[in-house]
Amino acid sequence: DTEVTQTPKHLVMGMTNKKSLKCEQHMGHRAMYWYKQKAKKPPELMFVYSYEKLSINESVPSRFSPECPNSSLLNLHLHALQPEDSALYLCASSQRRGGGDTQYFGPGTRLTVL
Amino acid sequence: DQQVKQNSPSLSVQEGRISILNCDYTNSMFDYFLWYKKYPAEGPTFLISISSIKDKNEDGRFTVFLNKSAKHLSLHIVPSQPGDSAVYFCAASASNFGNEKLTFGTGTRLTIIP
Repeated sequence: DTEVTQTPKHLVMGMTNKKSLKCEQHMGHRAMYWYKQKAKKPPELMFVYSYEKLSINESVPSRFSPECPNSSLLNLHLHALQPEDSALYLCASSQRRGGGDTQYFGPGTRLTVL
Repeated sequence: DQQVKQNSPSLSVQEGRISILNCDYTNSMFDYFLWYKKYPAEGPTFLISISSIKDKNEDGRFTVFLNKSAKHLSLHIVPSQPGDSAVYFCAASASNFGNEKLTFGTGTRLTIIP
């Protein structure tokens, strides 16, 4: 089973709203990732959590705040977003093992900021 | 600086024939390579991977070839089926950096013609 689940599937929010995206995996993976993907572009890495600790922040604006409550869950808290933040937000997980590490992606949350 | 390049934005292939998707990279530190398939508004689906210690990996209809000296990899799909129509991304990572960071190519849209 290589399933990563994400909720909600779609989200529309105003620039003053606070919302959260959720991601869950039960594969025992120890690394979890947030990506942002705009239309006709490849996914762009935002954050990496490795063994529940933030290991990579790709200079993401502070209006995006990640949280990893435990090894199976990953949240992305959103506040005061801009219309240009509208995109598909993807979560992924991997075993975090030596050598090749395959990332498995969830279905994504389509975010629209009005 | 685009470290992973897919120079063909689109490719059309007759059903039943072979599809060949190409990918070039510039960073010699990359040692693990993956191919993902993506439908619109969905997360990327992992297809196949290859470590730099190999030059070929096969899984059913999918074969990935790696030419390290040319810094080139290719994905062969045979026979091609209508359900293979999607955008294909190649991605690369470096074990020196824990394989945490995937660098994606810009994608190739494959269309299988019935």
